[in-house]
Amino acid sequence: AQSVTQPDIHITVSEGASLELRCNYSYGATPYLFWYVQSPGQGLQLLLKYFSGDTLVQGIKGFEAEFKRSQSSFNLRKPSVHWSDAAEYFCAVGPSGAGSYQLTFGKGTKLSVIP
Amino acid sequence: DGGITQSPKYLFRKEGQNVTLSCEQNLNHDAMYWYRQDPGQGLRLIYYSQIVNDFQKGDIAEGYSVSREKKESFPLTVTSAQKNPTAFYLCASLGQNTGELFFGEGSRLTVL
Repeated sequence: AQSVTQPDIHITVSEGASLELRCNYSYGATPYLFWYVQSPGQGLQLLLKYFSGDTLVQGIKGFEAEFKRSQSSFNLRKPSVHWSDAAEYFCAVGPSGAGSYQLTFGKGTKLSVIP
Repeated sequence: DGGITQSPKYLFRKEGQNVTLSCEQNLNHDAMYWYRQDPGQGLRLIYYSQIVNDFQKGDIAEGYSVSREKKESFPLTVTSAQKNPTAFYLCASLGQNTGELFFGEGSRLTVL
């Protein structure tokens, strides 16, 4: 069965500092990989996704992620964090389910930003 | 604007009562999903539907029911059999050619 691990439950960074959120996955084939962001009490918004091709993926809001097959990782990065980036971030892997399309989500990493 | 609308945003219910959460989309997507979110638990799949008049159980379907009579609508009923229904519920639909899930803004259910 596929799974996603986000090792960091909560990360605090200073505004302007760089950020890296970790994501490790378990999947039997080449996965589809996603990063979503959620503000409190809201739905999830897609930041970026990887299906194939270039392993460095650019997303919205200045985020990027790198797919490393040898490490089963898909870490999210941002060179300079803004206070508005404070939110919860979810990594997801898919598809799964014979004949269906399902994503498996990690438990999330909450990001706090110090002014 | 196209998107997914969930209602109500907040809902309170007494123990033993069934409650139905609405999910409507105007994105013309075939597949729709219901997730439950609890603090520190991520998103867990309750039910999904790939096409009208068809739906499948997810990982935590016990105590929940759904219907898919129209492409645009995928309501979730939280029944009295659900032992711990207080949670944040998210509805999503699948982009036809993008593999991306589009989410509604969620419904928070509190059982008193």
